[in-house]
Amino acid sequence: QSALTQPASVSGSPGQSITISCTGTSSDVGGYNYVSWYQHHPGKAPKLIIYDVSNRPSGVSNRLSGSKSGNTASLTISGLQSEDEADYYCSSYTNINTYVFGTGTRVTVL
Amino acid sequence: QVQLQESGPTLVRPSGTLSLTCAVSGGSVSSTKWWSWVRQPPGKGLEWIGEIHHSGNTNYNPSLKSRVTMSVDKSENHFSLKLNSVTAADTAVYYCASQDYDYCWSVWGQGTTVTVSS
Repeated sequence: QSALTQPASVSGSPGQSITISCTGTSSDVGGYNYVSWYQHHPGKAPKLIIYDVSNRPSGVSNRLSGSKSGNTASLTISGLQSEDEADYYCSSYTNINTYVFGTGTRVTVL
Repeated sequence: QVQLQESGPTLVRPSGTLSLTCAVSGGSVSSTKWWSWVRQPPGKGLEWIGEIHHSGNTNYNPSLKSRVTMSVDKSENHFSLKLNSVTAADTAVYYCASQDYDYCWSVWGQGTTVTVSS
């Protein structure tokens, strides 16, 4: 199974909105609504921020939202803040009962 | 709230076996959850290694399947990972993780760094 494709980096100014894409295939992203997103600060454990494509766990800011179209899922961060600077990974369930992560995106707040 | 803590040797010799344990607190390894292992090599992204259910059912990453064994110890309330025939490419931060929601991981251990080197 190949890693899902994400842009290596995305940047934005405080207050702006950014979107991170996560492209897979019909065997993973396109075939199931089991896409999740994780925020990862270096040296810390990853944090679940979106599950089942668009659901936010309790306590996660409503500035974060997820969506999916075909084989591509997306994470949007609205009202960008300095605390959003981190690495972001998508993940999807696959048709062989496994999981695959995305390549990861470094978000920089300018 | 379940908490997870990884433990095990931080240095493994090439061709040896990497062995890690994830202690579960605040919950039971015999719950309906699936228990997973994820790793991150230096400078690279996250990689799902596999998962195990308390029933013993497992699912492994196809690229690692021939070298991976996972197990659950209900008496000790922990689950374990063994990766054999390791090389420098297996050097990574290893995380254990579990699900509060299906098909994702909401609880993570702090991670443990394992270096493969002679």
